Amino acid sequence: DTGVSQNPRHKITKRGQNVTFRCDPISEHNRLYWYRQTLGQGPEFLTYFQNEAQLEKSRLLSDRFSAERPKGSFSTLEIQRTEQGDSAMYLCASSPKLGSHEQYFGPGTRLTVT
Amino acid sequence: AQSVTQPDIHITVSEGASLELRCNYSYGATPYLFWYVQSPGQGLQLLLKYFSGDTLVQGIKGFEAEFKRSQSSFNLRKPSVHWSDAAEYFCAVGSNDYKLSFGAGTTVTVRA
Repeated sequence: DTGVSQNPRHKITKRGQNVTFRCDPISEHNRLYWYRQTLGQGPEFLTYFQNEAQLEKSRLLSDRFSAERPKGSFSTLEIQRTEQGDSAMYLCASSPKLGSHEQYFGPGTRLTVT
Repeated sequence: AQSVTQPDIHITVSEGASLELRCNYSYGATPYLFWYVQSPGQGLQLLLKYFSGDTLVQGIKGFEAEFKRSQSSFNLRKPSVHWSDAAEYFCAVGSNDYKLSFGAGTTVTVRA
């Protein structure tokens, strides 16, 4: 069990550029979640997957954001036309099985939009 | 919708002293409750969880929490803090749709 991994750990980009983050969940975890955390706040739910199906998206997830989990394993979160307000820590978490409420978090990707 | 309030933004405690962090939740049904800890620049580590049963739950690193339904609270405690406990602590409530709602966090500073 190697834990949830996220890449890159840090990303600095200029406003208007596109960025993509990757999350590798714990092996055989069915559910995968994305959260966003801004300075001084707790994480806020963005979206989650059960296997490859995206089951829910928060209203925080504007049309510039898209997430995929093509084979039910790793997931990507893409932000198009980044804005300074997108600067945040993006956290990924996974859960072991249906019915489990525990979520195990990765180290996060820190995005800075200049 | 569920929500969590952590009334204390920042707590300073002496090494070796006891620590209590407050958490109040709002949820219409039986909640699933969690405490996570986050060190600077890191992700969240699960300290402990409450789903049902015994209202006093033990976690890692010597932490415990007590669920009090009448007070809608799930306070975190540690009898004797270590310098390594300095971090940010988040209380979270989970619902039947498996999403977590987090409080704004409490920053703990440990002085020598």
